[in-house]
Amino acid sequence: KNEVEQSPQNLTAQEGEFITINCSYSVGISALHWLQQHPGGGIVSLFMLSSGKKKHGRLIATINIQEKHSSLHITASHPRDSAVYICAVRGSQGNLIFGKGTKLSVKP
Amino acid sequence: SQTIHQWPATLVQPVGSPLSLECTVEGTSNPNLYWYRQAAGRGLQLLFYSVGIGQISSEVPQNLSASRPQDRQFILSSKKLLLSDSGFYLCAWSGTSGYYEQFFGPGTRLTVL
Repeated sequence: KNEVEQSPQNLTAQEGEFITINCSYSVGISALHWLQQHPGGGIVSLFMLSSGKKKHGRLIATINIQEKHSSLHITASHPRDSAVYICAVRGSQGNLIFGKGTKLSVKP
Repeated sequence: SQTIHQWPATLVQPVGSPLSLECTVEGTSNPNLYWYRQAAGRGLQLLFYSVGIGQISSEVPQNLSASRPQDRQFILSSKKLLLSDSGFYLCAWSGTSGYYEQFFGPGTRLTVL
């Protein structure tokens, strides 16, 4: 079993829909990251959180430490949100343990 | 502000040839540095990390090696490339205190033929 599990693996949505991507992990962590990988491969850090909730524009990330679960929400989705979203947790050496990613496609 | 550079952006190499990928960070000192690989259709995998000059830890046994000759320079090398070395290589840096948020370089797409 992977230490970081994401669901769904693939997600197709219509423009304007509310989107949720889930991440569950099985190891103790001090922080969880949500990353966005663009079609060209570049990776951008969206959030780093250790408790509660963070919001940047239309993106919201929540984490429940007791349940070892985090969600990434996108409100009013847009085709430019199409990307792979990756959940990662911080390991004991400061390295990240990655989920396999969720490929999101938002159709106009 | 901090920036991270990687080169080359793309590389096509024959099997058995050597490899050298370079990563440099600007605007910070004594960062933690990381090399990741993403094989086609797979998630990111940590290859090496470094907490200081000359200090390299390897996560996965392989024919790759890493070096950190200067504080803000991280090099990924191979003496003889394998087909299985093809992939997208990402360098990242983080601070050394707090929550270690990582920042990624633009990546190098390596194709071994």
